[in-house]
Parts: sequence; C-alpha cells; structure tokens
Amino acid sequence: DTEVTQTPKHLVMGMTNKKSLKCEQHMGHRAMYWYKQKAKKPPELMFVYSYEKLSINESVPSRFSPECPNSSLLNLHLHALQPEDSALYLCASSQDSLLGQKLTDTQYFGPGTRLTVL
Amino acid sequence: GQNIDQPTEMTATEGAIVQINCTYQTSGFNGLFWYQQHAGEAPTFLSYNVLDGLEEKGRFSSFLSRSKGYSYLLLKELQMKDSASYLCAVRPYTGGFKTIFGAGTRLFVKA
Repeated sequence: DTEVTQTPKHLVMGMTNKKSLKCEQHMGHRAMYWYKQKAKKPPELMFVYSYEKLSINESVPSRFSPECPNSSLLNLHLHALQPEDSALYLCASSQDSLLGQKLTDTQYFGPGTRLTVL
Repeated sequence: GQNIDQPTEMTATEGAIVQINCTYQTSGFNGLFWYQQHAGEAPTFLSYNVLDGLEEKGRFSSFLSRSKGYSYLLLKELQMKDSASYLCAVRPYTGGFKTIFGAGTRLFVKA
C-alpha cells in the first residue's frame, strides 16, 4: 500500500474563513510534507515533519499553520488567506532517512486539495 | 544555491523513444528523482538515482552522471497515456528532508 489520502479534494473559501486540509498515510512513514503547486509550476515545499516534529518551515506565512497530531496524520490549518494562495496543495510522505541515500527517501504524494480563495 | 534545468516541452510519436534531460547545480547531492505528473493530479514516483549509471524499470530508464550534474529519463515504446509532465527533483545534502523540483517537462505524445 503506497497510498496517501487527502481531504477535501476541492475547497473554496473566503478570505475571512478558517478551514483545514487533512492528510493521512498508513505506510508507517515518519516524514510528512506539505507542498504548494501553482499551475504549470513545480511543487514548492512548505513544511516537513519528521517523527511528528516540525523539521522544515520554508518561511511560510503564518496564515498557514501545520499540525501533526500523530505519525499517520498531517493537517494544514488555513486562516485569512489571500486569493494568490489559490493552488493545489499536496501532501507527501517518506519512510525517513537522515542520510538521504536510500530509496526510502522516495516521497509518495496524495492526490492533492485544489484550493480556491475568493 | 540550487538550480535545476529541464526543457519546457517535448513532442514525440506513439511507439517512439524520447529522452528528457535534466541538469542541476546543488550544494551537495543526495539523490535524484524522476516523477510523472498528469494534469491536475499528484506526482507519482518513477525512478531514483544516487550512483552514476543507468537504472532500468520496464519502459522507463533513468541515467545519472554526478560529475556532470546531469540526468536523463528515457521512455521507450511511447503510449498516449505517457503524455504528462516529467519532473526532475534533487535532494541536496543539507542533512534534512528537502527536495528541490525542476519546473518539469511537458511531454505530448501524438498518434
């Protein structure tokens, strides 16, 4: 099973709304990631959690707030977003390798949440 | 810094072979990945190279030359469903989990 699931599939929200994106994996992976992808652009890393601790924050604005309640779940809380935040938000997980020289570093992506901010 | 270059678009004919090149400059190197991404969908893993040489997996092969900072993805016996973006991604050796993605090459397979 190499499945990462994300909900919702689509989300439309106003600039004053608060919403959350959810991601789940049951592969026993210990590293989980949030990416943002605009049309025809590559995924841009936002956050990385390793063993449920925030490992990387790529200077993401505070209106995006990640949370890792347990090793299988990753949330992204959204508040006071801007229209330019509209994008595909991808979650990924990998088995975890601090040496980064193994196939276990392969990231498996979820189907993404298509977010539109009005 | 990090920089990854790929051609923006390529077109090939069904049944043919196509090679998608990727060059990179990174501060340290910890492996190179190729992902396939169909429009509106998530990237799916194709291959991983960390040592020089060719990795073959069915119709797809990936090659790496670390000394040249160069990789290619080779697709054989092209099928219409291979029309997608192909993303080259590099993991620089920062001791963390960062992966840098290239802009991707959009491949169009025509009949």
